[in-house]
Amino acid sequence: GAGVSQSPSNKVTEKGKDVELRCDPISGHTALYWYRQSLGQGLEFLIYFQGNSAPDKSGLPSDRFSAERTGGSVSTLTIQRTQQEDSAVYLCASSLGSYRAHTFGSGTRLTVV
Amino acid sequence: SQQGEEDPQALSIQEGENATMNCSYKTSINNLQWYRQNSGRGLVHLILIRSNEREKHSGRLRVTLDTSKKSSSLLITASRAADTASYFCATDSGSGSARQLTFGSGTQLTVLP
Repeated sequence: GAGVSQSPSNKVTEKGKDVELRCDPISGHTALYWYRQSLGQGLEFLIYFQGNSAPDKSGLPSDRFSAERTGGSVSTLTIQRTQQEDSAVYLCASSLGSYRAHTFGSGTRLTVV
Repeated sequence: SQQGEEDPQALSIQEGENATMNCSYKTSINNLQWYRQNSGRGLVHLILIRSNEREKHSGRLRVTLDTSKKSSSLLITASRAADTASYFCATDSGSGSARQLTFGSGTQLTVLP
């Protein structure tokens, strides 16, 4: 596609439920990143995929968070047993190579009630 | 601790004035990037300056980098109301598996018509 596509754009879930957030990066971009942004804050790095290399999971805040990237393209971020502190905007970005200029999606606003 | 810190946190100016935002960082960098964010959603890449560059221009944007002071500035000339947004610096530092792109907490710019 022409840009990075994220779905859903908004998600309201009950505490304790699992959620899946999807990211469809720009075709040909080998690097894919997930970030989290709380209200009025900067971006918190979560996870980074580069080609077929093992992902850099160093930013995942707990073992409730996991992510996959299938076929080097679409990625899914899964949050299990959601907590209220998980409420944030989850941003996905892709780039042509490692740490080149990011193209961001519009994000998924997650609200845990 | 944050690698990149923007200053000021908030800036309010009149249309037509110039806006200057600063970014300071702690460790050596490969490059430094500036992004813009409207309405708390996706970020848009503005400009990338490499560690061996001192100044870069793009339209009304001028970015400087002083590696000796570990600082960068973003100047927006002849500001417009549409420039109202949050501006983030992101530092690309480290190498190999330790390489990371770290975002600051942003400067909220308001341009008054």
